[in-house]
Amino acid sequence: ETGVTQTPRHLVMGMTNKKSLKCEQHLGHNAMYWYKQSAKKPLELMFVYSLEERVENNSVPSRFSPECPNSSHLFLHLHTLQPEDSALYLCASSFGRREQFFGPGTRLTVL
Amino acid sequence: GQQLNQSPQSMFIQEGEDVSMNCTSSSIFNTWLWYKQDPGEGPVLLIALYKAGELTSNGRLTAQFGITRKDSFLNISASIPSDVGIYFCAGRGGSQGNLIFGKGTKLSVKP
Repeated sequence: ETGVTQTPRHLVMGMTNKKSLKCEQHLGHNAMYWYKQSAKKPLELMFVYSLEERVENNSVPSRFSPECPNSSHLFLHLHTLQPEDSALYLCASSFGRREQFFGPGTRLTVL
Repeated sequence: GQQLNQSPQSMFIQEGEDVSMNCTSSSIFNTWLWYKQDPGEGPVLLIALYKAGELTSNGRLTAQFGITRKDSFLNISASIPSDVGIYFCAGRGGSQGNLIFGKGTKLSVKP
């Protein structure tokens, strides 16, 4: 595998479910990001991890919980989501704060 | 917060035509990035610009970092059907700041 990978690519969940999104980067980067992409809106930065420490949490509801066990892996744990949370969730990585490289995204649908 | 104004929102052009799009900011940026996103995929980095006045090419794509540091332009020459997608600009105001993204320009190319 090369670049940034995300699994699953598609996820449908009910509002009472708990699920996790996974991201893995094979680029030797030391910073990882979660973004939310909704129709007709700019990408919204959710979380930033630098050297495995969370350095940014952009007022994201607590039903989203990130985890970064090492510099290559990033998770987004989801629980009791709302239908308006349906979106494309993108993971990205970078070396320091230089250009970011994105994964293919997870298309999330909350019923 | 900071916002980027990206225009046009969409373009419908004939194969072989040249394309031009731009982004403007109300504040000064030190970095401009241009990404392309295909349906169902994550954004792919096309060009990175780090210096005011810089002009950088990547094949048929050329991007410029505006001299005022508040804008950037992307040109595509002799468009082909595979140029179809959404093009995003992104900018950063400081060395440690987060990327701010435009809303994207959707490009459609008629064969």
